[in-house]
Amino acid sequence: DAGVTQSPTHLIKTRGQQVTLRCSPKSGHDTVSWYQQALGQGPQFIFQYYEEEERQRGNFPDRFSGHQFPNYSSELNVNALLLGDSALYLCASSLFSYNEQFFGPGTRLTVL
Amino acid sequence: TQLLEQSPQFLSIQEGENLTVYCNSSSVFSSLQWYRQEPGEGPVLLVTVVTGGEVKKLKRLTFQFGDARKDSSLHITAAQPGDTGLYLCAGPSATNAGKSTFGDGTTLTVKP
Repeated sequence: DAGVTQSPTHLIKTRGQQVTLRCSPKSGHDTVSWYQQALGQGPQFIFQYYEEEERQRGNFPDRFSGHQFPNYSSELNVNALLLGDSALYLCASSLFSYNEQFFGPGTRLTVL
Repeated sequence: TQLLEQSPQFLSIQEGENLTVYCNSSSVFSSLQWYRQEPGEGPVLLVTVVTGGEVKKLKRLTFQFGDARKDSSLHITAAQPGDTGLYLCAGPSATNAGKSTFGDGTTLTVKP
């Protein structure tokens, strides 16, 4: 039983570019949440997808957008990258939104 | 805004020592979770505490939820190098159980 998987593992971009990160939830899970974890900080909630819709959103600008597919996998898109977007991006899946979350290994994004 | 403050930020001890780390808030949480995160990986859930005053034990780890459900502690007995990692506490948003608020964590290093 595969856990939460994320791709790519590492990514280097330059300011102004756009990036897409991908997440496959744990088998049987239908809810995907995305978090940003800056160096030395705890994860910050970006948004949550359930039934292919964004259900909840944290304090992140519209440059951060996402999508959930019928197979429950999800993408996180970030436009007009800033240096401050450099972070570990974590995906977490759960069965419904309020149950235990399982985290993937994350995607390390570096913006130069 | 519900905030979780963790202390100490860093802790370095020798193998065999005991330690306690804290997670405090001015807000009441319906539950708190403790996670351990190793470099290059996502957080792994250790325990969820739900009832005020609750104590849960996981081998050498003891977790306590404050009576008022505003704080929690993690005590490790006879720490081992394998306990090294970032310990994070998290709680669900009062308005959205699917949105978790994380503290910035305690980085624990156990030296052999």
